[in-house]
Amino acid sequence: GQNIDQPTEMTATEGAIVQINCTYQTSGFNGLFWYQQHAGEAPTFLSYNVLDGLEEKGRFSSFLSRSKGYSYLLLKELQMKDSASYLCAVSDSNYQLIWGAGTKLIIKP
Amino acid sequence: GAVVSQHPSWVICKSGTSVKIECRSLDFQATTMFWYRQFPKQSLMLMATSNEGSKATYEQGVEKDKFLINHASLTLSTLTVTSAHPEDSSFYICSPQTGRDYNEQFFGPGTRLTVL
Repeated sequence: GQNIDQPTEMTATEGAIVQINCTYQTSGFNGLFWYQQHAGEAPTFLSYNVLDGLEEKGRFSSFLSRSKGYSYLLLKELQMKDSASYLCAVSDSNYQLIWGAGTKLIIKP
Repeated sequence: GAVVSQHPSWVICKSGTSVKIECRSLDFQATTMFWYRQFPKQSLMLMATSNEGSKATYEQGVEKDKFLINHASLTLSTLTVTSAHPEDSSFYICSPQTGRDYNEQFFGPGTRLTVL
């Protein structure tokens, strides 16, 4: 079957760095997405990785290792507004998104 | 990025009534539309996939006669929850896709449905 695993909840301090991991097992691979979702709102796109390596975009970076079925989202200089759920999703061989359960990130002052 | 609208943003209805949710892609043509629902503290769950002018493909466990999807044009898709019950209360999100550029998927703002 298809499976996406990510931690349920993480806590970090304002100004610090946090890494949210995601491992996956899917039928085919056409890229991995990270989304941010605030409570009561739809997800918003953060990043897309289809090749191995690190993609940096401002305070957020995303890494992919296809051979390991592994990705992480790195958030630097954490701000209170970064408190949200972070969803990992993999596009399978049919370009259908398989979703992880999401990681709730709590930022403390 | 693309602009997607959903209407209504929230709705409260009585059990047994039907509710229609509209999803519009305002600045691009959506050849494919995904409909998701999300229960509290859970991830997005794909309900169905529709291609413009074709019948929708429903995920296992989703009743096609209860959740009617119409994708009659490239900019509008509707989801009708027929004879809604309290267990249908959820956050419904549409996600149109152009069929190209798979490196980003766009989402509507969502519709919060509460069935009393």
